[in-house]
Amino acid sequence: NAGVTQTPKFRVLKTGQSMTLLCAQDMNHEYMYWYRQDPGMGLRLIHYSVGEGTTAKGEVPDGYNVSRLKKQNFLLGLESAAPSQTSVYFCASSPLRYNEQFFGPGTRLTVL
Amino acid sequence: KNQVEQSPQSLIILEGKNCTLQCNYTVSPFSNLRWYKQDTGRGPVSLTIMTFSENTKSNGRYTATLDADTKQSSLHITASQLSDSASYICVVSANYGGSQGNLIFGKGTKLSVKP
Repeated sequence: NAGVTQTPKFRVLKTGQSMTLLCAQDMNHEYMYWYRQDPGMGLRLIHYSVGEGTTAKGEVPDGYNVSRLKKQNFLLGLESAAPSQTSVYFCASSPLRYNEQFFGPGTRLTVL
Repeated sequence: KNQVEQSPQSLIILEGKNCTLQCNYTVSPFSNLRWYKQDTGRGPVSLTIMTFSENTKSNGRYTATLDADTKQSSLHITASQLSDSASYICVVSANYGGSQGNLIFGKGTKLSVKP
């Protein structure tokens, strides 16, 4: 089992550019999450999904969109990147609501 | 306001020594508390998870305690190793509305183990 994988590992964007981060899990988990981690701050939830075809907003959803067309994949989109979106993005999945979350290795995004 | 406070922010210890990390929370209603280890450049990995009725849980050299009355938890690391150098994150789950369990993350304690 690969667990949770994220693509790409690193990316540099210019302000206004768009991109999509891909998260894939092979554990048949229902729940998937996107977080961002900034220096001196705890992980903050951007969006989450409780199953295929469903998404919901987290704590900091502005500027991001998500889709979960397949159970194993959770995509995070930035339509018009801003320097404030420079961060490390983590995807996670869990089988049930209160279960342990399994995290991916992260994507380091820099917006110039 | 639901909050999770961790102390110290950072800690340096010598290899082989023990250490204790603290987590205080004001999350209500409480569901469970988790400790994660995050190596530099990697995603967090779960160490322990405790519910309201559990007051101690071990995972190898890691022992977590929970006092639900005082809303405090600690993570004790025994006989530290260089590989214990990482950030340790306390995460508390609130049991109300929302399908994602309303996790509140602490900012973490950065532990450095020196030879």
